[in-house]
Amino acid sequence: GENVEQHPSTLSVQEGDSAVIKCTYSDSASNYFPWYKQELGKRPQLIIDIRSNVGEKKDQRIAVTLNKTAKHFSLHITETQPEDSAVYFCAAVGSTLGRLYFGRGTQLTVWP
Amino acid sequence: KAGVTQTPRYLIKTRGQQVTLSCSPISGHRSVSWYQQTPGQGLQFLFEYFSETQRNKGNFPGRFSGRQFSNSRSEMNVSTLELGDSALYLCASSTRGPPGYEQYFGPGTRLTVT
Repeated sequence: GENVEQHPSTLSVQEGDSAVIKCTYSDSASNYFPWYKQELGKRPQLIIDIRSNVGEKKDQRIAVTLNKTAKHFSLHITETQPEDSAVYFCAAVGSTLGRLYFGRGTQLTVWP
Repeated sequence: KAGVTQTPRYLIKTRGQQVTLSCSPISGHRSVSWYQQTPGQGLQFLFEYFSETQRNKGNFPGRFSGRQFSNSRSEMNVSTLELGDSALYLCASSTRGPPGYEQYFGPGTRLTVT
């Protein structure tokens, strides 16, 4: 099956700085890569996703890049704000539709 | 549209008992997946149901089972509860067809086994 690794496990940045979270996957058949944000005590929330036929996708302050050859994808958050503080999970979907393979999560803390 | 709902939100059970959790997907979504979330293991896939059929299953013992009804609502059952089953159980719904791989999560059921 798929194996998704996520780094770093914790990330602290100053408000206004950028944050980057990186993930690698093992299954070359994986073709959909979502990112979820989970605030303390709340459900994981889909914040952005990318499909394998696209190299980059942006939505305001967040962007995701995908390198299929290297099998890695990254989440970029610019101009971070304290409300960006949360656990971020990357995931991959491949030949097994309906199943998300998650990374272990990154605790992002944005200091004011 | 209303989001994914789960009931109950909190449960306290004793070792050896069994428990049933319920999930109502977003209207029109026919796929429901279940995940177990713990601090140590992260988000682990339990199983997925689509049109009342289990399509995928994770690496959990047979004590964990589920089903899906004709209205797409799903239940999962855990029998003979163990202390290690204490976790947040999340369900997610999806249309399960391109481009609808997107899965939307419910608020979860926090299960505590004592």
